[in-house]
Amino acid sequence: DAKTTQPPSMDCAEGRAANLPCNHSTISGNEYVYWYRQIHSQGPQYIIHGLKNNETNEMASLIITEDRKSSTLILPHATLRDTAVYYCIVRALIQGAQKLVFGQGTRLTINP
Amino acid sequence: KAGVTQTPRYLIKTRGQQVTLSCSPISGHRSVSWYQQTPGQGLQFLFEYFSETQRNKGNFPGRFSGRQFSNSRSEMNVSTLELGDSALYLCASRPTSGRAGEQFFGPGTRLTVL
Repeated sequence: DAKTTQPPSMDCAEGRAANLPCNHSTISGNEYVYWYRQIHSQGPQYIIHGLKNNETNEMASLIITEDRKSSTLILPHATLRDTAVYYCIVRALIQGAQKLVFGQGTRLTINP
Repeated sequence: KAGVTQTPRYLIKTRGQQVTLSCSPISGHRSVSWYQQTPGQGLQFLFEYFSETQRNKGNFPGRFSGRQFSNSRSEMNVSTLELGDSALYLCASRPTSGRAGEQFFGPGTRLTVL
């Protein structure tokens, strides 16, 4: 699985958009970008994933650059409950293989 | 549907003892994975079970073992506990037809080894 690089921490004001970057310059053509988050003392929670097109769901949007070497997770209207560690994971869509390789993630703090 | 449940939520053991942790996946999920989370090493994959068979294993010593039952419930066992085994142990499940990278995590078992 490709290695990812994320800033260790970020701050965002409540109600504003939180933009979390992730670099994955060694990503392969068959590898997807996944985002998870972990709120303090809870298990990680799946947010979104994508291959090369931008994706949006009820939680967030995922923007992947055309060369696929980086991506940005966007929380459009951050709330205090979005304070968490956000993990960007790159892995191939291999049926049967469940291993997720987590990096150190970005600790996002939403300020009132 | 109920989420992934893990028991116990907290556990205190002493060095040299052994411990068994339990995980009940979401109903209908047949794949169960285990992760260890420590402040120093972060989240690390332990192993994965599917239909009672270990399908993938992380880089952990043989003191760490697991199994899965016919109802998909899983247990992991750590023998001869060491201080460094103190960690949050997370279990995750996913349905057979789900997206390969989407896993549903339980709240974890926090193990403290004294």
